[in-house]
Amino acid sequence: ETGVTQSPTHLIKTRGQQVTLRCSSQSGHNTVSWYQQALGQGPQFIFQYYREEENGRGNFPPRFSGLQFPNYSSELNVNALELDDSALYLCASSHGGQTNQPQHFGDGTRLSIL
Amino acid sequence: GENVEQHPSTLSVQEGDSAVIKCTYSDSASNYFPWYKQELGKGPQLIIDIRSNVGEKKDQRIAVTLNKTAKHFSLHITETQPEDSAVYFCAASLREYGNKLVFGAGTILRVKS
Repeated sequence: ETGVTQSPTHLIKTRGQQVTLRCSSQSGHNTVSWYQQALGQGPQFIFQYYREEENGRGNFPPRFSGLQFPNYSSELNVNALELDDSALYLCASSHGGQTNQPQHFGDGTRLSIL
Repeated sequence: GENVEQHPSTLSVQEGDSAVIKCTYSDSASNYFPWYKQELGKGPQLIIDIRSNVGEKKDQRIAVTLNKTAKHFSLHITETQPEDSAVYFCAASLREYGNKLVFGAGTILRVKS
């Protein structure tokens, strides 16, 4: 069974640039959630995708957007990067969008904004 | 919205001792409570979870208890080992919010050998 994989592992960008992060869900999972984890803090929910539709969103501005593809993989896009966007971005996959099923995380993408 | 508080922020125990981490949540409608272990440079790993219709769950050296009336839940690790050293996060989830997890701030557990 393949776990959740994220790419790239590290990324350095400058303010104002745009970034795309990628996630492949665990085999058999159809739901992907994205979280932002600042240094020394717990992960914060950005949004969730189920059957290619956004299925819930946290308190993040519209410049954070996403996609889910027919194979259930997902992308997180962030426009107009700000210094505060520096964080570990985590993807978690689960089965079933409207039920509380266990979420399994990848190892994240470390994004640094200069 | 839901808010989760976690205590203590750091915990040092001697190898072989027990460790207890406590969390409280604010929304009485929360019905799913997972615990994650995060090692340096890795993503959070699910170690145990409990649903609101159960008061206690155990998996080898790890147990979780839930008190719905008081709105708190706890992680218990017995016979701690050096490899248990990591950051532990509790979380709460509302099914109505699309399985969004709200995390506590984390507990750094150090097991001294």
